[in-house]
Amino acid sequence: AQKVTQAQTEISVVEKEDVTLDCVYETRDTTYYLFWYKQPPSGELVFLIRRNSFDEQNEISGRYSWNFQKSTSSFNFTITASQVVDSAVYFCALSLNDMRFGAGTRLTVKP
Amino acid sequence: NAGVTQTPKFRVLKTGQSMTLLCAQDMNHEYMYWYRQDPGMGLRLIHYSVGEGTTAKGEVPDGYNVSRLKKQNFLLGLESAAPSQTSVYFCASRFADRGSNQPQHFGDGTRLSIL
Repeated sequence: AQKVTQAQTEISVVEKEDVTLDCVYETRDTTYYLFWYKQPPSGELVFLIRRNSFDEQNEISGRYSWNFQKSTSSFNFTITASQVVDSAVYFCALSLNDMRFGAGTRLTVKP
Repeated sequence: NAGVTQTPKFRVLKTGQSMTLLCAQDMNHEYMYWYRQDPGMGLRLIHYSVGEGTTAKGEVPDGYNVSRLKKQNFLLGLESAAPSQTSVYFCASRFADRGSNQPQHFGDGTRLSIL
C-alpha cells in the first residue's frame, strides 16, 4: 500500500525564518516518484518538484530546497528566509500510475 | 492554451440528484485523474484513466462513475448525490512518459455542495 504522512498540520513562522516541512512515505515499490505541490489561498495547485526513487541528490531552487533520504523514506522541504507569499498549503505526494497525497501542511508566514 | 478546464466551477445539489462534472484538457495528455479535497485530508484519488476508453479505481471510488470516451475529456458522475460528497473536486492530467512520471497539471477545481 502507498501512503504519505505529513505530520505537521499547521506551521506558523515569522518572515525571514527558515522552515522545514516534513514528508514520510510508504511504498513496496522500488521505482516511484515523489512530488511537492503548493496550494496558495487562491486554491490552485502548483507543481514545485519531482524526484524519482533512484535520485537521492538534494536539490536547491532559490530559497527552496529538498532533502530526499531513502533510508528513512523521507522527502523534506525547506524554505529559507520565508516570505509572506510562501503562505499556502503544501502537499507531498507519491506516484506510480496513480498518486497519493499527504494531508498537507498549512504554512503561515507572518510579517 | 487553456490547460485543464473544469466545468462547472460551483454547484449546489439536493440529496439524491445526479450530475456530471466535466474535465477537458488541450495538452494531448494520456493520463487523467479525478480527486476530491476535504479539510484535513488532502487530495484523495477517486478514479483515473491511462488512456481513451480505459478507467481505473483510485482510493475513494464509491458513489462515483467516470468515462473517458475522448482523449481530451474525463467525466465524473454522481448518480445519487449524498451530503458526504460535498467537497472540492480537482481534475488533473499528465503525459504518460514511461520512466519519468511527468507532473500532473491541475484544473482550478469544482466546489460541490450537497444539501
